Amino acid sequence: ELKVEQNPLFLSMQEGKNYTIYCNYSTTSDRLYWYRQDPGKSLESLFVLLSNGAVKQEGRLMASLDTKARLSTLHITAAVHDLSATYFCAVPQGAQKLVFGQGTRLTINP
Amino acid sequence: GAVVSQHPSWVICKSGTSVKIECRSLDFQATTMFWYRQFPKQSLMLMATSNEGSKATYEQGVEKDKFLINHASLTLSTLTVTSAHPEDSSFYICSALSLPTNEKLFFGSGTQLSVL
Repeated sequence: ELKVEQNPLFLSMQEGKNYTIYCNYSTTSDRLYWYRQDPGKSLESLFVLLSNGAVKQEGRLMASLDTKARLSTLHITAAVHDLSATYFCAVPQGAQKLVFGQGTRLTINP
Repeated sequence: GAVVSQHPSWVICKSGTSVKIECRSLDFQATTMFWYRQFPKQSLMLMATSNEGSKATYEQGVEKDKFLINHASLTLSTLTVTSAHPEDSSFYICSALSLPTNEKLFFGSGTQLSVL
C-alpha cells in the first residue's frame, strides 16, 4: 500500500527566510504532484514532476524529485506572507489514483 | 488551463435529506473523474473513481449506496449523498483527468456540506 508522508506538518516562519518541505513515499513512482490549498478553497496545482531529477521553479517555490530516494522537496525562498497556505504532495497509485500526503500548514509571519 | 466546475459551493441540509453535487469539465473531456472528501484540517481521501458510462469504483470503507455516483457523459459526474447525517458534513472535492495525456488532474472548487 502506498503511503505518502510530509514533514513537517506545521511550519511557522518569518518573512524573508528559506525553508524546505519534504515528501516521502513508500513505493516506486516516477511522478509526483504538489498542490496548494487556501482555507475553504480547493486545490491549486503547483508542480508536476515527471521524472527522476526533475526540478521546477515558480517564483519563490522550487520543487524537486528524487525517485531513487522516493523523496520530493518543496523549497521556499525568501518567504512572503502570500505563501501562507497548506501544501500537499501527491503520488499516483496505479494509472490514475492519487494518494495525498497529510499536508503541511505553512504560516508566514511578518 | 482546463477548468472543472463544481456546484454548489456550499450546501446546508437537514438530516435525512439527499444532496446532489455536480462536477463538470468545462473545456475538456474527462473519461475519469474522482471524488474526494476532506475533513477540517485533514488531507484528501479518495472516495471513488467515476468512469464515464460504467459503474464507479469505490474505495474501501465508502458506502456505495450512500454515496451515489453517476458519470453519464464525458463532461459531467454527480455525487449524491443520500439520507445525509451530520457525520457526512465535510468538504467534497471532485477532480478530472484531462484527455488525451491523462497526466494532469484538475480540481473543482469544492463543496462544503453541512448537515444539521
